Amino acid sequence: DAGVIQSPRHEVTEMGQEVTLRCKPISGHDYLFWYRQTMMRGLELLIYFNNNVPIDDSGMPEDRFSAKMPNASFSTLKIQPSEPRDSAVYFCASSFGTASTFGSGTRLTVV
Amino acid sequence: GQQVMQIPQYQHVQEGEDFTTYCNSSTTLSNIQWYKQRPGGHPVFLIQLVKSGEVKKQKRLTFQFGEAKKNSSLHITATQTTDVGTYFCRIQGAQKLVFGQGTRLTINP
Repeated sequence: DAGVIQSPRHEVTEMGQEVTLRCKPISGHDYLFWYRQTMMRGLELLIYFNNNVPIDDSGMPEDRFSAKMPNASFSTLKIQPSEPRDSAVYFCASSFGTASTFGSGTRLTVV
Repeated sequence: GQQVMQIPQYQHVQEGEDFTTYCNSSTTLSNIQWYKQRPGGHPVFLIQLVKSGEVKKQKRLTFQFGEAKKNSSLHITATQTTDVGTYFCRIQGAQKLVFGQGTRLTINP
């Protein structure tokens, strides 16, 4: 099993540009989570899906952020337009039952 | 809203000493999970506690869930350099999933 796969690993973009982060969960997992990690705010849950349906998106910072899960094997987190304060490591995680398995994360830098 | 306080923020110990981190919630929890994140890495699931007063052990790690299901602790006996990292609790209450701020453990070999 390849685990949770995120791409890209690193992204540097200019303020105002659109950024799309991608995640492939572990096959058979029915939950998918998007997290953001910064030194200041720690690990924050942005949104999570169950069976491809968004369950709780109250952690999404504002309308500039959107997430989709068109099928069980793929999810995207989009930021449009990006701002410097969006710079963080974004983790995707999936689970079936108890334990969440995290991907290696995408380090986003907005300059 | 759902809140969790994790203490201490940082802990530096000599190798061989014990280490404990605590998570305290303002509300009764459905369950609590513990994760470990190595420097530069991603969180890795350690354990989930569900029952009031539950105690679980994994080798040198002991996890406890309080009787009121509002607090939990992770204790490491005789730390080793491989224990270095940040330990997070993740709580699940009525509505939300929330991570604690983490306890960063560093070890002097």
